Amino acid sequence: EVQLVDSGGGLVQSGGSLRLSCEASGFSFNNYYMRWVRQSPGKGLEWVATIKEDGSEEYYRDSVRGRFTISRDNAKSSLYLQMNSLRVDDTAVYYCARASNYASDHWGQGTLVTVSS
Amino acid sequence: QSALTQPPSASGSPGQSVAISCTGTSSDIGGYNYVSWYQQHPGKAPKIIIHEVSKRSSGVPDRFSGSKSGNTASLTVSGLQAEDEADYFCSSYAGSNIFVFGTGTTVTVL
Repeated sequence: EVQLVDSGGGLVQSGGSLRLSCEASGFSFNNYYMRWVRQSPGKGLEWVATIKEDGSEEYYRDSVRGRFTISRDNAKSSLYLQMNSLRVDDTAVYYCARASNYASDHWGQGTLVTVSS
Repeated sequence: QSALTQPPSASGSPGQSVAISCTGTSSDIGGYNYVSWYQQHPGKAPKIIIHEVSKRSSGVPDRFSGSKSGNTASLTVSGLQAEDEADYFCSSYAGSNIFVFGTGTTVTVL
């Protein structure tokens, strides 16, 4: 069974940093692109970043490029999101998701990031 | 990277059908056959229903169907059931490994 477990969220002040983790199991992690998707409280979903199977390519939405870094450790079947220079509008539940067929076919349970001013 | 446009709400009685639209541009929905749909119950993670416009994900009932015409995609839920009451989001590939999501539609079963 495919499982994705998100962790690392919390309360941080504006300008601060946080590192999210996603532990994967039940599939060959190194065969899949992986993504982070976020959802602001009571709002819609927003794609954040994607990383290639071997970690050689990364893609970001404009509003986080230069502040966030997606990475992975295939030996540990883990995905990460390093978030620096956090802003109030980065407040959201962050989900890791497995990419397949140009969609996200499995999702973690999400981890809440709250950025205070 | 603008969000795709969905109606905020839709509703139907049990057994009826409801259709949800998702409007984008020629740079996303109109340019690729990579539209996906997700169902989200309150407090839960999204769950994939449809990928590549009309392909149902494993285990999804055939009451759910997807289609696309031009820059607009649609999700139809036939034979509405109480458990279909949820938020629904569309998503499309927009080129260069960029993805956009819809604004979301809350489906109410009357």
